[in-house]
Amino acid sequence: QVQLQESGPGRVNPSETLSLSCTVSGGSINSYFWGWIRQPPGKGLEWIGHIYHSGSGSTNYNPSLKSRVTISVDTPKKQFSLKLSSVTAADTAVYYCARKYTLMGYFDLWGRGTLVTVSP
Amino acid sequence: SYVLTQPPSVSVAPGKTASITCGGDNIGDKTVHWYQQKPGQAPVVVVYDDRDRPSGIPEQFSGSNSANTAILTITSVEAGDEAVYYCQVWDSTTDHQVFGTGTKVTVL
Repeated sequence: QVQLQESGPGRVNPSETLSLSCTVSGGSINSYFWGWIRQPPGKGLEWIGHIYHSGSGSTNYNPSLKSRVTISVDTPKKQFSLKLSSVTAADTAVYYCARKYTLMGYFDLWGRGTLVTVSP
Repeated sequence: SYVLTQPPSVSVAPGKTASITCGGDNIGDKTVHWYQQKPGQAPVVVVYDDRDRPSGIPEQFSGSNSANTAILTITSVEAGDEAVYYCQVWDSTTDHQVFGTGTKVTVL
C-alpha cells in the first residue's frame, strides 16, 4: 500500500534552514495535493502548506509562515520537500507529510512524523 | 484568517455519548473533516465530508454540520476512544487549510 516517510535532520541550529523530505512509496506522486503539517510538543496541528503535483505545481502556504517556507516536488525521486528558513525555537515540532485528493478533501494518508528540534 | 474553535477537553463515562463541537463563522457552508490522534501517532480521519466515515471506522463515529457549528459524536464510548480530536476545513476564500484547536476526550 502507499506509504509516506519523512526524512531529515532531527536538530537544526537557530537562524538556519530546516529541510525535510517526504518519500512516496507504493504508489504514484501524480495528481495529488502533498502537504506539510506540524505539531509543537503538547500543542495542536498547524498546516504549513501544500503543493499540487500537476502541470503547474502550484503551492499555497500558511500566511504566518509564507515568507519562510518553500515546498517543492522531485517527481523522479517520488519525493516532496519542505524548506523553512530562519528557524527559531518556536519551530521545534513534529513535522508530518500528508496527502489529499482535492483542496476541500481530507488528508487521507500521513507519514509517521519526524521531530525537529531547533537548538544550538 | 479563518478560525475553528473547539473545547479543550471533554470527559465521558464508558458507554455514554461524547459530543465535540467545532465552531467557525458559517462553517455550515464548508466541508468539515474530523481526525483522531492518539499519543505518539499521526492523525487518522474518522469522519470526512461532514458526516461520512472511511472504511474501517466504526458506526459509533458520526458528524453533522450546520450554521456556525460542526459536531463530532461518539456513541458507546470506550477506553480506546481516548484521544485528541481535530476538525479541519478548507477555507475557499484564502485557499488555506485550517485545523481546529483540538479536543482531548477523556474516558472516565
